[in-house]
Amino acid sequence: QVQLVQSGAEVKKPGASVKVSCKASGYTFTSYGISWVRQAPGQGLEWMGWISAYNGNTNYAQKLQGRVTMTTDTSTSTAYMELRSLRSDDTAVYYCARRIVVVVAARGYYYYYMDVWGKGTTVTVSS
Amino acid sequence: SSELTQDPAVSVALGQTVRITCQGDSLRSYYASWYQQKPGQAPVLVIYGKNNRPSGIPDRFSGSSSGNTASLTITGAQAEDEADYYCNSRDSSGKGVFGGGTKLTVL
Repeated sequence: QVQLVQSGAEVKKPGASVKVSCKASGYTFTSYGISWVRQAPGQGLEWMGWISAYNGNTNYAQKLQGRVTMTTDTSTSTAYMELRSLRSDDTAVYYCARRIVVVVAARGYYYYYMDVWGKGTTVTVSS
Repeated sequence: SSELTQDPAVSVALGQTVRITCQGDSLRSYYASWYQQKPGQAPVLVIYGKNNRPSGIPDRFSGSSSGNTASLTITGAQAEDEADYYCNSRDSSGKGVFGGGTKLTVL
């Protein structure tokens, strides 16, 4: 079955970096993208960005541009999300999710959805 | 604007029908997807595209869209449907956006 297994919880100091991994299994990794979503304590879901596992193309949320890097290792079917210059408001649960794109050729656009999610990785930023 | 707006909270009597809405300019062009999240758990996809349910999602969940509004309808709400529900879509640059979420209470 399709599964995304994320790395364990992290505790970091302000200014440090964190790298979260997301290992995929049960499907052809390069056929789909991976989205990253985070959720601060008691808050809603926040879209962070996505990466194509096929060609490495990325698209990041404007507010995270310059601090976030998403990568993949196709040899191990693993996606990574690195966030730098951590602040206290980066404290959150970080999720990866498989991104499925549907092309609506007749209208010249695509939409996407996230069908399988990892269980989440808690990142705590505290001095 | 790429923002999506949801009512913060909605309640429904057990067995009745409830509609959860999501408004935003991007919904005039792109389909939304809907996610259910229970406390301490990862989100679960419940509706995507025009009105598609993933395998395992009960058929009491349905989706629709009109103009700038996407809707998730639960027909015959059950106690286990009590959860937070989030809509998600994309903007013209391919960036994603979530609604603020709706907390559904089943009375």
